[in-house]
Amino acid sequence: QKEVEQNSGPLSVPEGAIASLNCTYSDRGSQSFFWYRQYSGKSPELIMFIYSNGDKEDGRFTAQLNKASQYVSLLIRDSQPSDSATYLCAVIPDDKIIFGKGTRLHILP
Amino acid sequence: DTEVTQTPKHLVMGMTNKKSLKCEQHMGHRAMYWYKQKAKKPPELMFVYSYEKLSINESVPSRFSPECPNSSLLNLHLHALQPEDSALYLCASSQVGPLEGYTFGSGTRLTVV
Repeated sequence: QKEVEQNSGPLSVPEGAIASLNCTYSDRGSQSFFWYRQYSGKSPELIMFIYSNGDKEDGRFTAQLNKASQYVSLLIRDSQPSDSATYLCAVIPDDKIIFGKGTRLHILP
Repeated sequence: DTEVTQTPKHLVMGMTNKKSLKCEQHMGHRAMYWYKQKAKKPPELMFVYSYEKLSINESVPSRFSPECPNSSLLNLHLHALQPEDSALYLCASSQVGPLEGYTFGSGTRLTVV
């Protein structure tokens, strides 16, 4: 069974601080890794993808991948109230995406 | 604006009704997907079309019937649904071998009464 694990939260972070979201996956052959943001009642929105070990930065967002540890994370710097959402980690082990259950992030004003 | 367009945005239907959900993309993607999402749960894959052919069917009940008329369009025909089928139905598209992820439509909020 190919699995993607996330802490469901809620994760509460003060405005302006760094939010750190974590995800582990079971299939060592996975090649592509994604972070989706989903506001309540809305569809998922792709915010980051990463293929290679290390860090990938895009604005306030940094994705980190460690294939040896089967671990992918998302850092959000200078957290804003608009970052409050559910963040879905997703992995492609073969020909389709496997989603984690998501982490609810709450930014405290 | 999303590049994957879904209609209608909201649908209320009775258990004896027949309705269809529609999805359209113009990104040149050759893979299209239907997902079902219940509240506070991740999206669940229902169907995958690759090059207009059904490639994955995740044991979805026959009251859901997908159709892919061409590479830009994807329909989901609904018949004799149950109240527990009420959910957000998401269409997505990607390149085949979706290494750059999926683009989701805004979804159809379906309520079965």
